[in-house]
Amino acid sequence: GAVVSQHPSWVICKSGTSVKIECRSLDFQATTMFWYRQFPKQSLMLMATSNEGSKATYEQGVEKDKFLINHASLTLSTLTVTSAHPEDSSFYICSARKNTDTQYFGPGTRLTVL
Amino acid sequence: AQRVTQPEKLLSVFKGAPVELKCNYSYSGSPELFWYVQYSRQRLQLLLRHISRESIKGFTADLNKGETSFHLKKPFAQEEDSAMYYCALSPDFNKFYFGSGTKLNVKP
Repeated sequence: GAVVSQHPSWVICKSGTSVKIECRSLDFQATTMFWYRQFPKQSLMLMATSNEGSKATYEQGVEKDKFLINHASLTLSTLTVTSAHPEDSSFYICSARKNTDTQYFGPGTRLTVL
Repeated sequence: AQRVTQPEKLLSVFKGAPVELKCNYSYSGSPELFWYVQYSRQRLQLLLRHISRESIKGFTADLNKGETSFHLKKPFAQEEDSAMYYCALSPDFNKFYFGSGTKLNVKP
């Protein structure tokens, strides 16, 4: 058990458009989901922590109006990159927490903004 | 501010040799420490965590608060251990901060 999926796995979009990435916990309820960003050959950088039914908590330096996070149910969180620009191109990874300390990762979404 | 440092980007060892992946952290309180592993073309997964003091796949990690280290060790490396390893710190299980990762290459 404890499988997390992300959709899409990769997306290419034009500059100025918005892109939505979904993160789902397939076989468990996740009260907390995390969104990370990973640049090539670099580590995961926590963007925000998302709790079901409440506003996401963003890390310092992450624009909440740029990266909209919605956690409407215990199995789904979405990240919307609004008015995407080439510098937003990155690998976005979500994780879902099943209990107090274990997080399960999704496979990631590769975003390329032209 | 919290910080996790993995000084080695790449570590190459021969099969059967001992391996130690270094991790140092800076945090004012008492965080929880984790090691995550990412095998080729797979997603990131938890390897072990300080709180449970367990050994997974022959790997162990000891938290040294004096040296603020949480090095990952295995006495005899196997080829299937080749992967990317990330050390992570969590102040309260609501945030996780990752090191830059070490790529372990176990040669036959």
